[in-house]
Amino acid sequence: EAGVAQSPRYKIIEKRQSVAFWCNPISGHATLYWYQQILGQGPKLLIQFQNNGVVDDSQLPKDRFSAERLKGVDSTLKIQPAKLEDSAVYLCASSSLRTGFSNYGYTFGSGTRLTVV
Amino acid sequence: AQSVTQLDSQVPVFEEAPVELRCNYSSSVSVYLFWYVQYPNQGLQLLLKYLSGSTLVKGINGFEAEFNKSQTSFHLRKPSVHISDTAEYFCAVSGIFNKFYFGSGTKLNVKP
Repeated sequence: EAGVAQSPRYKIIEKRQSVAFWCNPISGHATLYWYQQILGQGPKLLIQFQNNGVVDDSQLPKDRFSAERLKGVDSTLKIQPAKLEDSAVYLCASSSLRTGFSNYGYTFGSGTRLTVV
Repeated sequence: AQSVTQLDSQVPVFEEAPVELRCNYSSSVSVYLFWYVQYPNQGLQLLLKYLSGSTLVKGINGFEAEFNKSQTSFHLRKPSVHISDTAEYFCAVSGIFNKFYFGSGTKLNVKP
């Protein structure tokens, strides 16, 4: 079974520039999550989608971060403008209420490592 | 609200020795508990999970964990570690809407 696809794998940008990350979840997974993992910390949820609607974006810094999942499949996370403290790994995950936490019920992508200089 | 505390940021251990990585959680509702492993420059890989039933959960690579509701703990154990187990280990709790709350991670360093 294909996993959660993310691109790019790595990105280096200067502060105040903009950047976008892409995620394609497992086919059929209605729920999609974006997590931010700062070096030395555990991942922190930024936003959760159910199909193309936002379930929870309480931890998303909305002044600079935005995310969309227009057709309820793949998703884009954008940062504009980037700050030094945004350097982190951005992980995408997807899940299915039908399969719950079965082996493929909640899967993480490999992440995008962002370095802001 | 849910939260996870991993009590040790780093655990050094010699190869073939046993290891325990500690995890405590807090939650006002029933939870699901997980351990993930992350190798350098890689994504999160599920080691094991507790959803219900037996409190002793066996996972991949010889790891196991025990859910202790009274102590709100979910410690990870392995009777004999290998060099290849060197990685960072994350404990996580999930509840409503399947959101994950992760601990800060424990770096396991297995020495020859």
